[in-house]
Amino acid sequence: DAGVIQSPRHEVTEMGQEVTLRCKPISGHNSLFWYRQTMMRGLELLIYFNNNVPIDDSGMPEDRFSAKMPNASFSTLKIQPSEPRDSAVYFCASSPWNNQPQHFGDGTRLSIL
Amino acid sequence: DQQVKQNSPSLSVQEGRISILNCDYTNSMFDYFLWYKKYPAEGPTFLISISSIKDKNEDGRFTVFLNKSAKHLSLHIVPSQPGDSAVYFCAATNAGKSTFGDGTTLTVKP
Repeated sequence: DAGVIQSPRHEVTEMGQEVTLRCKPISGHNSLFWYRQTMMRGLELLIYFNNNVPIDDSGMPEDRFSAKMPNASFSTLKIQPSEPRDSAVYFCASSPWNNQPQHFGDGTRLSIL
Repeated sequence: DQQVKQNSPSLSVQEGRISILNCDYTNSMFDYFLWYKKYPAEGPTFLISISSIKDKNEDGRFTVFLNKSAKHLSLHIVPSQPGDSAVYFCAATNAGKSTFGDGTTLTVKP
């Protein structure tokens, strides 16, 4: 079975550019989560969806960040405009429902110069 | 305000011995606890979990203990193997939302 698929694996871009991270959850999973991992703040939840509907976006750092889930098999996390402090590893995870173990993708390593 | 804490950034044990990883939490509303293992350049993978109504859950070499009164959980690995060397995260969940600790790097020496 395919796991959670994230793309790209690495992204290097200049400050001010728009960045779009992509995620394909495991088929049949109803919950999808976006996390960010940094040395300073560890692994922090940005937003999560149930049945494609955003449930809690209190972790989204500011208006420059937005996430969408147009259908059950695809989600995006967008940063516009990007800043150097956004540099981190971004993980997407999915689970059958929101109180069950999550399956993580391998992450996108984002570097903003 | 860090609600989930793993106070030991690293732990080193000899192969065959027991590894004990600890985690403390502050929010009494957490009702489900999990341990994940992470290798470099990969995402975390689920290891074992425990509901707040239990105090112990065992799966092969892995056992998780929960002490609700102390707001403390621990992961025991017996016997430890070199392949267990990884970063271990504990996570606590409430209303579907998981909060992670900062992780403990376990090194198992042959």
